Amino acid sequence: GAGVSQSPSNKVTEKGKDVELRCDPISGHTALYWYRQRLGQGLEFLIYFQGNSAPDKSGLPSDRFSAERTGESVSTLTIQRTQQEDSAVYLCASSLENADTQYFGPGTRLTVL
Amino acid sequence: KQEVTQIPAALSVPEGENLVLNCSFTDSAIYNLQWFRQDPGKGLTSLLLIQSSQREQTSGRLNASLDKSSGRSTLYIAASQPGDSATYLCAVRGTGGFKTIFGAGTRLFVKA
Repeated sequence: GAGVSQSPSNKVTEKGKDVELRCDPISGHTALYWYRQRLGQGLEFLIYFQGNSAPDKSGLPSDRFSAERTGESVSTLTIQRTQQEDSAVYLCASSLENADTQYFGPGTRLTVL
Repeated sequence: KQEVTQIPAALSVPEGENLVLNCSFTDSAIYNLQWFRQDPGKGLTSLLLIQSSQREQTSGRLNASLDKSSGRSTLYIAASQPGDSATYLCAVRGTGGFKTIFGAGTRLFVKA
């Protein structure tokens, strides 16, 4: 079946603009994660969704970052008033349940000019 | 606060060599530990997942061990091949929530 998909694959924006990144998890996967990977660095956890439970937002770096997910479907990560330090690859992963193997999408490369 | 460290940061070996990648974590209260590989321009591929109650997992030429008490995991790659060239990431999920903490990775280059 299809894996995790993310769109767009690349996004270039100007400082101060809002951006929206999309993640389509594997069908049937109840858990969904967002991560950020800055150039040459490891992955930083941003947010976690599990079914209809309250999300774990403990990794969001500021109130400019927000994410939504309706049920077990698509998730969107929104970054408001983008800054140059937001430039990174944003990765999404899903899993069958919170303890299971995470399957990653190809990521969205965000460049803030 | 959980911290995950991977040593070495980079490694270059000739084809056919057996090698060990190391991962250490500061908080032994973990739920599971996962090893991934990351190829340039691509997403991550899960290699092995070790639950906190397990000591090791094996898949083909890969073997991962977990020692919670010492806060260490190793990934053993047997008979390395040029196709193994990638960045290998270790990730730890703690027991107190759903956050997964990643190490910075080990960049492996296997020379033909």
